[in-house]
Amino acid sequence: NAGVTQTPKFQVLKTGQSMTLQCAQDMNHNSMYWYRQDPGMGLRLIYYSASEGTTDKGEVPNGYNVSRLNKREFSLRLESAAPSQTSVYFCASSGGGAYGYTFGSGTRLTVV
Amino acid sequence: AQKVTQAQTEISVVEKEDVTLDCVYETRDTTYYLFWYKQPPSGELVFLIRRNSFDEQNEISGRYSWNFQKSTSSFNFTITASQVVDSAVYFCALSEESRFGAGKSTFGDGTTLTVKP
Repeated sequence: NAGVTQTPKFQVLKTGQSMTLQCAQDMNHNSMYWYRQDPGMGLRLIYYSASEGTTDKGEVPNGYNVSRLNKREFSLRLESAAPSQTSVYFCASSGGGAYGYTFGSGTRLTVV
Repeated sequence: AQKVTQAQTEISVVEKEDVTLDCVYETRDTTYYLFWYKQPPSGELVFLIRRNSFDEQNEISGRYSWNFQKSTSSFNFTITASQVVDSAVYFCALSEESRFGAGKSTFGDGTTLTVKP
């Protein structure tokens, strides 16, 4: 089925470890996004990519890096995980501001 | 900067009651888009409806209806005859026009709706 595939679904890291969250979409969307969801704080934008080859910081980029590998894939990397990065991470793609987002199923990350 | 406010953090109703979720937004853009998303207990985020800034026609879809009022910068969502399956977190979102950015969306903090049997 067409959509956004996000892996892994769950992950536990120790403080200081690194990891990469993978996201791929097969809807031929230009724009892709990474959000984090914390209790009572809605979804906050970490990084986004308006098109292949471009990436920009969102509201809460510190501690993260991203790579837009091609039009389909947009990965999020935590170089040195911290407990403050414990959250649920969502990847999304969009064909434009008018169309809204299609979300991946989320990654629940716990940093201990 | 864009801002979305969902003043109601939690709402609890009894099944078959009507419930309205409020959303107020701020933007300097003349063209923008408004959305509601549903996040059931399973955790996925599901698109419900979108409205563009030029279309103030209200919409009814089954038990759901939406009231967009540009004059008050509000985009409220009403569930009529609520059901237990409506229990979820509901997010209102405001999206910029793609020509000037990446069509980024700003989300409210969400309203947790609990429908009791």
